[in-house]
Amino acid sequence: DQQVKQNSPSLSVQEGRISILNCDYTNSMFDYFLWYKKYPAEGPTFLISISSIKDKNEDGRFTVFLNKSAKHLSLHIVPSQPGDSAVYFCAASMDNYGQNFVFGPGTRLSVLP
Amino acid sequence: DVKVTQSSRYLVKRTGEKVFLECVQDMDHENMFWYRQDPGLGLRLIYFSYDVKMKEKGDIPEGYSVSREKKERFSLILESASTNQTSMYLCASSPLSGGAYNEQFFGPGTRLTVL
Repeated sequence: DQQVKQNSPSLSVQEGRISILNCDYTNSMFDYFLWYKKYPAEGPTFLISISSIKDKNEDGRFTVFLNKSAKHLSLHIVPSQPGDSAVYFCAASMDNYGQNFVFGPGTRLSVLP
Repeated sequence: DVKVTQSSRYLVKRTGEKVFLECVQDMDHENMFWYRQDPGLGLRLIYFSYDVKMKEKGDIPEGYSVSREKKERFSLILESASTNQTSMYLCASSPLSGGAYNEQFFGPGTRLTVL
């Protein structure tokens, strides 16, 4: 059973609008979360992170929100650009050294010009 | 510029063959990881290593082994390849943070097909 879920396999958004990617987790021991972006034929690259002591973290056009009681986090991209088209993975960790991350299945975002 | 390289981008092997996937990082990271990525399943951890000659099983170690003889190099070995090991294999590395969390840096992946 997957501990980290991304229930939307794909999402299409118009350029300039907001993209919202969702992630749910089942293990309340997770206390650190990351988002990775992956282009075809490349490895995933780190995008943004949030620890459980926060409910929001912002970096430019990217904002991650964490709702611990709902075990839910979301990634907002505003405004969306065609270059944001990629697969986005949510990942969660609970170990003290940040070694073990559990990844979700990914959401493919397409930003349409 | 940090770099994780993998020996092959594409590999085709036959059932029963022994397969070696090599990964090298130039960032002096203590931790190295091997994942496989399959559609609908995301990245699943096969093995990781936090030091030379040390290894820990991940979520799906069956049918795989690893070797870490040098800090910068982490090898994944398929002792007898099977068709269900056809997948994208991703190597990653991260520093040992001593309590803080760190992102992992990924290589470009090796797409392995077992016929």
